[in-house]
Amino acid sequence: QVQLQESGPGLVKPSETLSLTCTVSGDSTSKYYWSWIRQPPGKGLEWVGYIYNSESTNYNPSLESRVIMSVDSSRNQCSLKLSSVTAADTAVYYCARLRLELRSRALDIWGRGTMVTVSS
Amino acid sequence: QSVLTQPPSVSAAPGQKVTFSCSGSNSNIGNNYVSWYQHLPGAAPKLLIYENNVRPSGTPDRFSGSKSGTSATLAIAGLQTGDEADYYCGTWDNSLGTTYIFGSGTKLTVL
Repeated sequence: QVQLQESGPGLVKPSETLSLTCTVSGDSTSKYYWSWIRQPPGKGLEWVGYIYNSESTNYNPSLESRVIMSVDSSRNQCSLKLSSVTAADTAVYYCARLRLELRSRALDIWGRGTMVTVSS
Repeated sequence: QSVLTQPPSVSAAPGQKVTFSCSGSNSNIGNNYVSWYQHLPGAAPKLLIYENNVRPSGTPDRFSGSKSGTSATLAIAGLQTGDEADYYCGTWDNSLGTTYIFGSGTKLTVL
């Protein structure tokens, strides 16, 4: 049974870089695509992007200039870095497995998310 | 503002049937499969339906999906109090590269 667990600082200062990690258990990170999704308080879901084995990335155009995703297969983790954050980046951040290799191309397994607040 | 339009809320009594609409365009729903996600308060979002109408193992057959043109619909029959959650449609959009988009979400209240 694949499980995902997001972790990282709950508070980040404006203009700094938000760094989050998603630890995958039950399967190998090298076999799948991994996505990050966020949900600002009181708002809907926003797709941040996806990564495959550090070989292929695709980011939301609205965030592309500030986002870097990576995969550490030795630790079975994927990571998200979002630079120059503002209060608008305050959100619950989720990682999810993306079945891009299947016809469905759906997000089939999600973590419980981690809340990140941007504030001085 | 989301590219996929969903009503903000729906409500119904236990045992009834409820439907959720998701409206898009040719660049997204019209040319891509639609998924539906259930988000219970404090829990991880869950894939409920994929490829417009396919239920993953674990999704009860009370849940069904359909798609017609640039719109998709999720239906829940035999409503239960445990179904109270936010429901999001999701699909790919080809108008700005290849981007995954979600609907604005519909909150289901079971009366």
